[in-house]
Amino acid sequence: GAGVSQSPSNKVTEKGKDVELRCDPISGHTALYWYRQSLGQGLEFLIYFQGNSAPDKSGLPSDRFSAERTGGSVSTLTIQRTQQEDSAVYLCASSLPGGSEQFFGPGTRLTVL
Amino acid sequence: AQSVTQLDSQVPVFEEAPVELRCNYSSSVSVYLFWYVQYPNQGLQLLLKYLSGSTLVKGINGFEAEFNKSQTSFHLRKPSVHISDTAEYFCAVMRSSGSARQLTFGSGTQLTVLP
Repeated sequence: GAGVSQSPSNKVTEKGKDVELRCDPISGHTALYWYRQSLGQGLEFLIYFQGNSAPDKSGLPSDRFSAERTGGSVSTLTIQRTQQEDSAVYLCASSLPGGSEQFFGPGTRLTVL
Repeated sequence: AQSVTQLDSQVPVFEEAPVELRCNYSSSVSVYLFWYVQYPNQGLQLLLKYLSGSTLVKGINGFEAEFNKSQTSFHLRKPSVHISDTAEYFCAVMRSSGSARQLTFGSGTQLTVLP
């Protein structure tokens, strides 16, 4: 009964570098969400995948942010040319098809120096 | 669009005292309502949710919340808190229909239980 896992747990990078954050959802959960938690902005929705449908990217803050979900399971959030304001905890969640409850991973703490 | 307001950013309370964390929401469409808890350096854990039916919802760890449609509120209550309830609490809403299933969160309330 593994939950949602995320890696790395912590990432420190230099301004201008690209980073990749990984999320492994709960097996059988077809919906996957990325959120960002920062001091200034609170908890914000970033992107949502549901099965084979086109993802809902309406929360991505800029074109430096992108996400993929391969094989309907693992997802990778990529941030290009990182900026200091990207420093935050990035949370991933998954849910059953049509399910109302989202199960959250422990998050990746990103620090951009 | 939906929005959630948590009126109190910090709530200190003594152990074994009752507590209420306030949440108000705004939405042009029907929504589901949630309370999540976040312990230090951990992810979010669902406390309780309101989808339909009885407006009084009971959750884990002795928490309950009441949905009030006329006041667009979903306040969280516990009759007697423990030190271990110290955490940050987030109220959230989700559209109850349509394809947009993301959560919209309030800014959070830090509950600190004092001995």
